[in-house]
Amino acid sequence: EIVLTQSPATLSLSPGERATLSCRASQSVSTYLAWYQQKPGQAPRLLIYDASTRATGIPARFSGSGSGTDFTLTISSLEPEDFAIYYCQQRSNWPSRTFGQGTKVEIK
Amino acid sequence: EVQLVETGGGLIQPGGSLRLSCAASGFTVSSSYMSWVRQAPGKGLEWVSIIYAGDSTSYADSVKGRFTISRDSSKNTLYLQMNSLRAEDTAVYYCAKETKSQYYYYMDVWGKGTTVTVSS
Repeated sequence: EIVLTQSPATLSLSPGERATLSCRASQSVSTYLAWYQQKPGQAPRLLIYDASTRATGIPARFSGSGSGTDFTLTISSLEPEDFAIYYCQQRSNWPSRTFGQGTKVEIK
Repeated sequence: EVQLVETGGGLIQPGGSLRLSCAASGFTVSSSYMSWVRQAPGKGLEWVSIIYAGDSTSYADSVKGRFTISRDSSKNTLYLQMNSLRAEDTAVYYCAKETKSQYYYYMDVWGKGTTVTVSS
């Protein structure tokens, strides 16, 4: 089973700053990785799939990179609505799916 | 508009059963990959189950043998039958539609969730 480890657990930043979130897989997942955003009381929302492709309607300040075991979600300049929890997700053993434990981006 | 609406949550005693429903609109459940994902209070997301091509199914180890995923094409609805419920099954349960990218499937449409509380 592939395990996804996200870091840091919490990121304290100010609006306008750059956020860099990491997701590491226990074995190679190629580029089969997605990122989701979840705000309090809301369902998750797909941000990035195939490691670097933005989902429909996602602003260009969100970008994803990486392949193999190391992946990064970057928010180039934080907007007030970006403070949320971010999860990476991948399949483990087909057809199962696995989520990382999440990174909370909070206002400093 | 593509939409998912979950119902059926509630308070149930340990050992009890509950069936969750996820009504879909704007697409066909029977020809889609559909997952259930849950989130315990204050915790992260946990994938629970998937139904996909030919009504094949898969489950997380934590629910295998207790939960059953199914779908009804006439009602365009996804279900999750939950038996032998435990306190650790307490969570918000989301259904999600998966869409295939060039390479793989991702959960691109989510319902708002329904809350299941297992407690005596």
